[in-house]
Amino acid sequence: GDSVTQTEGLVTVTEGLPVKLNCTYQTTYLTIAFFWYVQYLNEAPQVLLKSSTDNKRTEHQGFHATLHKSSSSFHLQKSSAQLSDSALYYCALSGSNVGDNSKLIWGLGTSLVVNP
Amino acid sequence: DAAVTQKPRYLIKMKGQEAEMKCIPEKGHTAVFWYQQKQSKELKFLIYFQNQQPLDQIDMVKERFSAVCPSSSLCSLGIRTCEAEDSALYLCSSSQFNSAETLYFGSGTRLTVL
Repeated sequence: GDSVTQTEGLVTVTEGLPVKLNCTYQTTYLTIAFFWYVQYLNEAPQVLLKSSTDNKRTEHQGFHATLHKSSSSFHLQKSSAQLSDSALYYCALSGSNVGDNSKLIWGLGTSLVVNP
Repeated sequence: DAAVTQKPRYLIKMKGQEAEMKCIPEKGHTAVFWYQQKQSKELKFLIYFQNQQPLDQIDMVKERFSAVCPSSSLCSLGIRTCEAEDSALYLCSSSQFNSAETLYFGSGTRLTVL
């Protein structure tokens, strides 16, 4: 079936160092869009990045991700982690086939902890 | 501030009681989604409305929940008989058309079942 896999439940990084959160997927949908959502403590999830174009880098708030359909991945990266980046990050896939409603598939989430 | 409004913010019920939570989607959004989030952090999909009609829902919702969107500006999620396992944060989200568009989440209703 269709799925989104975030391999790390917890990622810990020191402030100022690069960080990468992994996201891979498996889908039979014909039309797909990818999202990264971030949820800060005691807040609602909010969109961080969105992409539906293969091999195109998408950036927002210092984070970037590139959809690679060849490797079924949409990893999230940042060159220099900040303390304020500590949050829960979700990778999600929206897909549909012809004539069907689109469906949103969520990864289980990765907690990012940035230490001083 | 979240563009989607949820009330109440906190809800405490005894086992066996009925619970109801409300959601005001962002104006102009036609798709509404409800999710359950427990301490394990997984976002569990519950039900999806499109133009106030339920298009997709999990079996648990069919069996024990009641969910409606009587208008484009109000949706509600109810639990007919609360169980301890229902203790969770219930998140309502809306998007302009469907799940291919960005979802905007409310702050959630935190339900505690004693």
